Amino acid sequence: NAGVTQTPKFQVLKTGQSMTLQCAQDMNHNSMYWYRQDPGMGLRLIYYSASEGTTDKGEVPNGYNVSRLNKREFSLRLESAAPSQTSVYFCASSRGGLAVSGNTIYFGEGSWLTVV
Amino acid sequence: GENVEQHPSTLSVQEGDSAVIKCTYSDSASNYFPWYKQELGKRPQLIIDIRSNVGEKKDQRIAVTLNKTAKHFSLHITETQPEDSAVYFCNQAGTALIFGKGTTLSVSS
Repeated sequence: NAGVTQTPKFQVLKTGQSMTLQCAQDMNHNSMYWYRQDPGMGLRLIYYSASEGTTDKGEVPNGYNVSRLNKREFSLRLESAAPSQTSVYFCASSRGGLAVSGNTIYFGEGSWLTVV
Repeated sequence: GENVEQHPSTLSVQEGDSAVIKCTYSDSASNYFPWYKQELGKRPQLIIDIRSNVGEKKDQRIAVTLNKTAKHFSLHITETQPEDSAVYFCNQAGTALIFGKGTTLSVSS
């Protein structure tokens, strides 16, 4: 039982390049999330998917797109990377939906992205 | 909208001291209050949580207290050890969106 797995762990991009962060969970969770973490800013939600086939914007969606490929997989795409997108990205999942109380959130190990 | 404020943003203590981190929330309907710990370079992980039908919950050296009237909940760590050094996040009601901005706890020996 691997939990939440995300790849790659480290990536350096040039400004304007595109890339996709992959995420998969094996806990049969309904909801999946992408966060970015910057110093002093905490965990900020980029996009989430409350269930297979649905996606919604979070707090900081600009410059990103997502795909909920199936119940297990939720990818994050940077179409044209900018230095402001240098950050640590965490994929996460939970059994219940966004507003469900008692919702333990399980995080992946993180992806360190640098845009130069 | 709903929000959660976490204080302090940084906390430095000597080994063996106690540490307290407080979060204030806005949604009166919230009934679940978890805390996450993130060690340097690692993922956030749930360490303790409390539901609104109790005022305090303990797990060895950590405890969480809840004051629903004042709408705040706190994480208490007693007899701190260097391995307690980490960033701690509160989360409102288990809703993925609302995390506090984090408290960096440094325990020096």
